[in-house]
Amino acid sequence: ETGVTQSPTHLIKTRGQQVTLRCSSQSGHNTVSWYQQALGQGPQFIFQYYREEENGRGNFPPRFSGLQFPNYSSELNVNALELDDSALYLCASSLRAYPEAFFGQGTRLTVV
Amino acid sequence: AQSVTQLDSQVPVFEEAPVELRCNYSSSVSVYLFWYVQYPNQGLQLLLKYLSGSTLVESINGFEAEFNKSQTSFHLRKPSVHISDTAEYFCAVSEDSNYQLIWGAGTKLIIKP
Repeated sequence: ETGVTQSPTHLIKTRGQQVTLRCSSQSGHNTVSWYQQALGQGPQFIFQYYREEENGRGNFPPRFSGLQFPNYSSELNVNALELDDSALYLCASSLRAYPEAFFGQGTRLTVV
Repeated sequence: AQSVTQLDSQVPVFEEAPVELRCNYSSSVSVYLFWYVQYPNQGLQLLLKYLSGSTLVESINGFEAEFNKSQTSFHLRKPSVHISDTAEYFCAVSEDSNYQLIWGAGTKLIIKP
């Protein structure tokens, strides 16, 4: 049984650029959630995907968007990057009817 | 609105001493409660969870937490800490309806030799 994997592990982008982060969910899990963790803070919920549709969204602007694929893997896209987007982005997978979530190691995004 | 408060940003404690990390939440509905641990430059690992049943839950490495509904608390305790427990600990809550996690700001556990 494979765990949650995220790629890349680190990324440096310039303000105004676009970025795509990827997540492979744990085997058998059908729900993926994305969180943003700024330095020194707790994670903040971005959105959740279930069966390829967005299933809840936190207080993030529309330039944060996502996808879930038939194999339950997921992407997080951020357009028009801002300096404040610098953070650790965490992906978590779970089963739709069960509250326990399993996290990947995260992608450290630095916007300069 | 649902929220989670971790009252201490840092807790320094001597090795082999007991420790308590505090967590309070606000919610008007049934909740699930979690403690996650984050080691430096790593993701989040589930430490323990309360879903239902016994209000006292334990982890395999000696941590325990007790769900107190009347005080809306889920404090984390360990009777004797080890240097390897140095990490940041996050309390999280999800509601029955959506399973989206709401997080506290975290507590850094600092073990003094």
